[in-house]
Amino acid sequence: GENVEQHPSTLSVQEGDSAVIKCTYSDSASNYFPWYKQELGKRPQLIIDIRSNVGEKKDQRIAVTLNKTAKHFSLHITETQPEDSAVYFCAASQGGADGLTFGKGTHLIIQP
Amino acid sequence: DAMVIQNPRYQVTQFGKPVTLSCSQTLNHNVMYWYQQKSSQAPKLLFHYYDKDFNNEADTPDNFQSRRPNTSFCFLDIRSPGLGDAAMYLCATRGLAGSGPSYNEQFFGPGTRLTVL
Repeated sequence: GENVEQHPSTLSVQEGDSAVIKCTYSDSASNYFPWYKQELGKRPQLIIDIRSNVGEKKDQRIAVTLNKTAKHFSLHITETQPEDSAVYFCAASQGGADGLTFGKGTHLIIQP
Repeated sequence: DAMVIQNPRYQVTQFGKPVTLSCSQTLNHNVMYWYQQKSSQAPKLLFHYYDKDFNNEADTPDNFQSRRPNTSFCFLDIRSPGLGDAAMYLCATRGLAGSGPSYNEQFFGPGTRLTVL
C-alpha cells in the first residue's frame, strides 16, 4: 500500500517568514495530493490540493509543488500569520473511490 | 446547511460495551469513508463504501464494522471497544460524478470523540 512520509514534524518560523513542509510518497499510482490544516479538536480542513497532471498550484499565500519523478510534493506558505499556527497533513490517493493515506503531520508554530 | 453530520459529537462507552457512531450527508455523494484519528496522530482510513460496495482496509481490526443502509447514512460499529480504541472518528464523503475542481475532494464531518472507560 501507499506510504507517505512528512517532514519536519515541528516547524517554528517568525511571523512574516515563509514555511515549507515536504512529503514523499511511495505508490506511483497515486494521482491526487491534498494538504489539510487541522486545529485542535476540529476536523481536517482542505487548504490546497494538486493532481498528478499539474506541477504547481497557487492560492494566495499558499502553494503546492509536485515532482512526480521523485515522488515528492511540498507545501509553501508565504508571509506567515499567527492564524497559520496548526497541524498540517499531507495526503495521497489513487483515483476512483480510494481513501487518503496521510503523512504524520507537521506542527507549524508562528512566532510573533 | 451542514453537509456531513456526525452524531454524537462526544461518546463515552465502557470497556467491551458495543457502541455505534453515525454519519449522515446531504451531498448525495456515493462514497463514504471512516477514519480513526488517535491523539497527536494522523487520520487512518478504516474502510469505505462506494455506493453499497464495502471496502475494508487490510489492517482494520475485525472489531470494527460498518453499515450503510442508504446513500445518506453510514454507521461505524465497534463490537467490543478497548482502551486503545479511544480516538476521534471522522466520517468523510466524496462524489465521483463529474470532473470539476472539487472532483477529488473529501468532505469531512466534525468527528465523534470516543472515550472508553
